[in-house]
Amino acid sequence: IAGITQAPTSQILAAGRRMTLRCTQDMRHNAMYWYRQDLGLGLRLIHYSNTAGTTGKGEVPDGYSVSRANTDDFPLTLASAVPSQTSVYFCASSDSILGQENTGELFFGEGSRLTVL
Amino acid sequence: GQNIDQPTEMTATEGAIVQINCTYQTSGFNGLFWYQQHAGEAPTFLSYNVLDGLEEKGRFSSFLSRSKGYSYLLLKELQMKDSASYLCAAMDSNYQLIWGAGTKLIIKP
Repeated sequence: IAGITQAPTSQILAAGRRMTLRCTQDMRHNAMYWYRQDLGLGLRLIHYSNTAGTTGKGEVPDGYSVSRANTDDFPLTLASAVPSQTSVYFCASSDSILGQENTGELFFGEGSRLTVL
Repeated sequence: GQNIDQPTEMTATEGAIVQINCTYQTSGFNGLFWYQQHAGEAPTFLSYNVLDGLEEKGRFSSFLSRSKGYSYLLLKELQMKDSASYLCAAMDSNYQLIWGAGTKLIIKP
């Protein structure tokens, strides 16, 4: 089934450790996004990529980095995890840049629940 | 600043109608989105409005008033499977999505 795959589904991590959340899509979408979702808050954009080879910072980029070496993969790395990064992380994609050519529908992965102790 | 307001929680009865309101303040406006999110799952797209008026899609309808910075999602003939959180998001002038915290809808038999 076409879509977005995230891994791991959940992870408990010690503070200070490095962690990479993986995201792969097979829909050949150009744009990809990483969001975090915390109780009582709306989804917050961490980083995005409008096309392979380019990335940009979202609303809450500090402590996170991304890369977009090809169309399908968009990993999110926490260089040195802190407890405030405990959250559910969603990867999403859209077939073109939001607001251009399409309605901006985002397709989300199932999420990665990360707990930093 | 940019802001989205929607009720935290609502309760409705199976078979009834419920209206979930959303007000927004953004720097510019390029559309209003509604997503459904079941507990522990990914959000899924429901609707997109950029012009004033009502868009109907089966049991779900979405309304937009740009002059009032207001939208609502109307769910008819409620079913138990409609129990979920409903996320409102507005797109600003930079095509960034500003998300509300979501409205948790509880359906009772």
